[in-house]
Amino acid sequence: SSELTQDPAVSVALGQTVRITCQGDSLRSYYASWYQQKPGQAPVLVIYGKNNRPSGIPDRFSGSSSGNTASLTITGAQAEDEADYYCNSRDSSGNHLGVFGGGTKLTVL
Amino acid sequence: QVQLVQSGAEVKKPGASVKVSCKASGYTFTSYDINWVRQATGQGLEWMGWMNPNSGNTGYAQKFQGRVTMTRNTSISTAYMELSSLRSEDTAVYYCARVVSSGYYYENYYFDYWGQGTLVTVSS
Repeated sequence: SSELTQDPAVSVALGQTVRITCQGDSLRSYYASWYQQKPGQAPVLVIYGKNNRPSGIPDRFSGSSSGNTASLTITGAQAEDEADYYCNSRDSSGNHLGVFGGGTKLTVL
Repeated sequence: QVQLVQSGAEVKKPGASVKVSCKASGYTFTSYDINWVRQATGQGLEWMGWMNPNSGNTGYAQKFQGRVTMTRNTSISTAYMELSSLRSEDTAVYYCARVVSSGYYYENYYFDYWGQGTLVTVSS
């Protein structure tokens, strides 16, 4: 079982705002990072740290955190944002191991 | 530009071992940890372990302890992941990823570059 919990599926109307959440005890100590994965492709980093976007990631993607919950928000979702989204962090063991959430399938209607 | 190029697809029989390589270029190989992640068809990402290319130190997910070995050859900037005693459930795409770990408590931890993935099929 994953130490980071995500909703399996979320949908959003085109142009609307959607929040994808990730819960886990380790998020009280470590920032989550977020990855977008489209079918047949390797994951792509979209958010890391407190709220940082790698070069090339649109500014409609943002991140936040509160307590044991990290969130990825897409403001004005586009059709091309339809993908699987995974959160990642250190696990809660203190041994510097990693863990992924189970993933959220985002559908843009 | 940073690139991680992985070895090609493998087909193995149950009980065998597989060794996947990940060749790094465009940066100093020993300056960043390499992590390995796998994904079975239709499933989520599963973190397997990390390796520090400078020291060779490793850390593995409990699920893979005793079956996985992560090594490197710094002279050719290549990391390796070997998984033994393969079973059908190990059929998956295996990814290597470069890891950034920073901050006073290493609270920043993320994978900024990924390899293209290597499909390992375990079948009799």
